[in-house]
Amino acid sequence: NAGVTQTPKFRVLKTGQSMTLLCAQDMNHEYMYWYRQDPGMGLRLIHYSVGEGTTAKGEVPDGYNVSRLKKQNFLLGLESAAPSQTSVYFCASRGSGGALNEQFFGPGTRLTVL
Amino acid sequence: DAKTTQPTSMDCAEGRAANLPCNHSTISGNEYVYWYRQIHSQGPQYIIHGLKNNETNEMASLIITEDRKSSTLILPHATLRDTAVYYCIVRAGAGSYQLTFGKGTKLSVIP
Repeated sequence: NAGVTQTPKFRVLKTGQSMTLLCAQDMNHEYMYWYRQDPGMGLRLIHYSVGEGTTAKGEVPDGYNVSRLKKQNFLLGLESAAPSQTSVYFCASRGSGGALNEQFFGPGTRLTVL
Repeated sequence: DAKTTQPTSMDCAEGRAANLPCNHSTISGNEYVYWYRQIHSQGPQYIIHGLKNNETNEMASLIITEDRKSSTLILPHATLRDTAVYYCIVRAGAGSYQLTFGKGTKLSVIP
C-alpha cells in the first residue's frame, strides 16, 4: 500500500514549456486535490475532484488544468509555465466517509520555472 | 469557513508537553476543528479532529473550550521529531471538500 505517490519529485522548466504532474493513490479514495505551497506560506488549493471524470476549481486555478480519467489518478497540467508557478506541489486524496476530512498527502513535487 | 488565529512560533523542551493554541471565535455549529502538521519539506499529515468534545488518539489530544471559540492541541511528550508546522483548520463536516491551510504555528522542540 503506497498511499499517495507523485511523479516527478523534481523538475526544472523554462518559461513557456509545458508539463504534467501525476498523482496516484491506491486507497480507492473518491476525492483528490492539488495544492501549491510557496516559501513560508500555507497550502493553497489549485483544483480538486470529487470523483472519476469530475474536476472543480480551487482558490488559485489560473494557469493550470486537471484531469481525472481514472479514479486512482489525478493529473495537473501546466500548458505554458511561468516563473510565478515555481512552487512545491502537493497532491492529496480523501475517502468519502462521514465528517472526517482526513486528507492523505503525497511527498510533493518541487518545480522551478526559469 | 471560520477564520483561525495561531501563534507564529513556539518552543518546547524535549519530553515536555507541547500545548498549541488556536482561536476560532467565529466557528459555527456544524464546523469541526482539524489539526494537521507538516514536517519540513514533507506533505501535511493529519493529527486529530473534533466537534465539541475533547478527543485523544495515539498522536495527540484536542481540547475544545465549551463555547468552541478556541482549542488546544496537546502533544503529551514532545520529541525532536515533533518539530513541524502545525495547522489548525476549521471546516464544516459532511459534504465539504476543501481544507484551507493558513500559515500555522512553527513548533521547535529543543533538546
